[in-house]
Amino acid sequence: NAGVTQTPKFQVLKTGQSMTLQCAQDMNHEYMSWYRQDPGMGLRLIHYSVGAGITDQGEVPNGYNVSRSTTEDFPLRLLSAAPSQTSVYFCASSSRGDNEQFFGPGTRLTVL
Amino acid sequence: DQQVKQNSPSLSVQEGRISILNCDYTNSMFDYFLWYKKYPAEGPTFLISISSIKDKNEDGRFTVFLNKSAKHLSLHIVPSQPGDSAVYFCAAGSIIQGAQKLVFGQGTRLTINP
Repeated sequence: NAGVTQTPKFQVLKTGQSMTLQCAQDMNHEYMSWYRQDPGMGLRLIHYSVGAGITDQGEVPNGYNVSRSTTEDFPLRLLSAAPSQTSVYFCASSSRGDNEQFFGPGTRLTVL
Repeated sequence: DQQVKQNSPSLSVQEGRISILNCDYTNSMFDYFLWYKKYPAEGPTFLISISSIKDKNEDGRFTVFLNKSAKHLSLHIVPSQPGDSAVYFCAAGSIIQGAQKLVFGQGTRLTINP
């Protein structure tokens, strides 16, 4: 099992550009989520999904879109990048009824 | 408003001694609590968890204590080893409409000195 994989590892964008951060898991987990980590603020929930076709907003959803067309994939879209979105982004997945969430290695995004 | 707080940004402990990391929370409705460990350039990895109905959970060198009346949890690592040097996040979890929602603290950087 590869677990949770994220691509790319690093990305630099200019203000206003759009991009998609990819996340995939091969553990057949129902639950997937996206977090961002900023210095001194821990990890904050952006969006989450409890299964294919079902998504909902977390604590900091503005500026991000998600979709879940398959169990395996949960991409995060930045519609118009802003410097405030400079952060490290983590995708996580877990099985229903299991408290532990498995995290990917992260994507470090810089918006200039 | 920060629902989960780790008030110590860093902690330095001698190898072989006990490391105690602390975490406070404000919402008494959380269902469970977890500790994650994070090395640089990697994602957080799960360490240990505790249900809100328990007050202690132990796994090898790691023990988590929960004091519900004080809304406080702590992670004890004994004996501390150099490989324990990492950032530790506490998290509080809720199950809402089938979704597992975690709220994280800011993290504590633990350094184990040889």
